[in-house]
Amino acid sequence: RKEVEQDPGPFNVPEGATVAFNCTYSNSASQSFFWYRQDCRKEPKLLMSVYSSGNEDGRFTAQLNRASQYISLLIRDSKLSDSATYLCVVTNSGYSTLTFGKGTMLLVSP
Amino acid sequence: DAGVIQSPRHEVTEMGQEVTLRCKPISGHNSLFWYRQTMMRGLELLIYFNNNVPIDDSGMPEDRFSAKMPNASFSTLKIQPSEPRDSAVYFCASSPQVGEKLFFGSGTQLSVL
Repeated sequence: RKEVEQDPGPFNVPEGATVAFNCTYSNSASQSFFWYRQDCRKEPKLLMSVYSSGNEDGRFTAQLNRASQYISLLIRDSKLSDSATYLCVVTNSGYSTLTFGKGTMLLVSP
Repeated sequence: DAGVIQSPRHEVTEMGQEVTLRCKPISGHNSLFWYRQTMMRGLELLIYFNNNVPIDDSGMPEDRFSAKMPNASFSTLKIQPSEPRDSAVYFCASSPQVGEKLFFGSGTQLSVL
């Protein structure tokens, strides 16, 4: 099993749609979780951290399910500018280095 | 505030040549990371430093790759000799401490012909 697995997509959605991505991780000792966003030919940038109780930032909601070892990202009211690749990121064990999934591509169309 | 600065942005070289990539982390960050990104393998951690000391270089592909961090504000990743399969985008990132969120540089697009 890969350390961090994501559906590569692409997810094609119209503007205004709600879309959700899941990510599974293999190391039950992982402590920190993040979602990063990467635009084409750009560097990854932090979108949001993921907390055990779940957290929301505007149109974005992140949730963590430790029992099933998955993380989710929900985007409401999709905008054209949300088109990007979304990377799931997990610490290897404890507070160690970060392991990146390969990303899920989102394409939002008019 | 200046972010992580990498140079060059693009590098085209011939097989067998030496390539040196450079990185200036964010001031005050104690951890520095070198990643490589390809379509097939995604983002792979090559090596990371904590307080200028290499901690884990298990991701370095082979002896042709080496990295140094002579001080808190500068790091290099060197490939000698370079091979076509080294073609990728190389990112440098820094964080206040290991395990915290990463801040990436703009990357170096390396093409080895």
